Amino acid sequence: DQQVKQNSPSLSVQEGRISILNCDYTNSMFDYFLWYKKYPAEGPTFLISISSIKDKNEDGRFTVFLNKSAKHLSLHIVPSQPGDSAVYFCAATPNGNAGKSTFGDGTTLTVKP
Amino acid sequence: NAGVMQNPRHLVRRRGQEARLRCSPMKGHSHVYWYRQLPEEGLKFMVYLQKENIIDESGMPKERFSAEFPKEGPSILRIQQVVRGDSAAYFCASSPGGSSNQPQHFGDGTRLSIL
Repeated sequence: DQQVKQNSPSLSVQEGRISILNCDYTNSMFDYFLWYKKYPAEGPTFLISISSIKDKNEDGRFTVFLNKSAKHLSLHIVPSQPGDSAVYFCAATPNGNAGKSTFGDGTTLTVKP
Repeated sequence: NAGVMQNPRHLVRRRGQEARLRCSPMKGHSHVYWYRQLPEEGLKFMVYLQKENIIDESGMPKERFSAEFPKEGPSILRIQQVVRGDSAAYFCASSPGGSSNQPQHFGDGTRLSIL
């Protein structure tokens, strides 16, 4: 039973265009959502997060949208840059249980010059 | 990923041997988490520790796996009598507290290969 799903294993976009990465979850107890970026042979790096009391959080080129009723969140990167090419993981934490982040399987983003 | 240090970066063991993976959290962080990543999959939570305490080990296999975070020194993930299926990347993360809205800082992982 996978509680956090990233249904697109890969995504390819042209430099300068928008990248949209999607994530769905099933557990209603999740109240905090995070996106991590991972390069090969490195650990994940925190990118952006959103609390369940919000529906949008923006940080520079990165915006995360949360639709609680649909149990869906998305990460928008605009404009996309070749350096954004990496694996992006969506993660969720349940109320009061910070240590138990549940990760999706990741989406590999390739930004073509 | 400066801050969270994992060693070794690569570890090769034969079936039946023991594997010890070490993790030093970021300075000032007292919460440590271990995750395992199999090829083409996401990170799977294993265990959450504070200094000298195991807070949540619901993701740990019931046998052969153990973890500790002593008062002094790094956190250790220990795998006894390793089998081929233990081959994976093991990531450690740390955070300053246990609040759900604190991102975890990850090390670069230990890639364990079982011959």
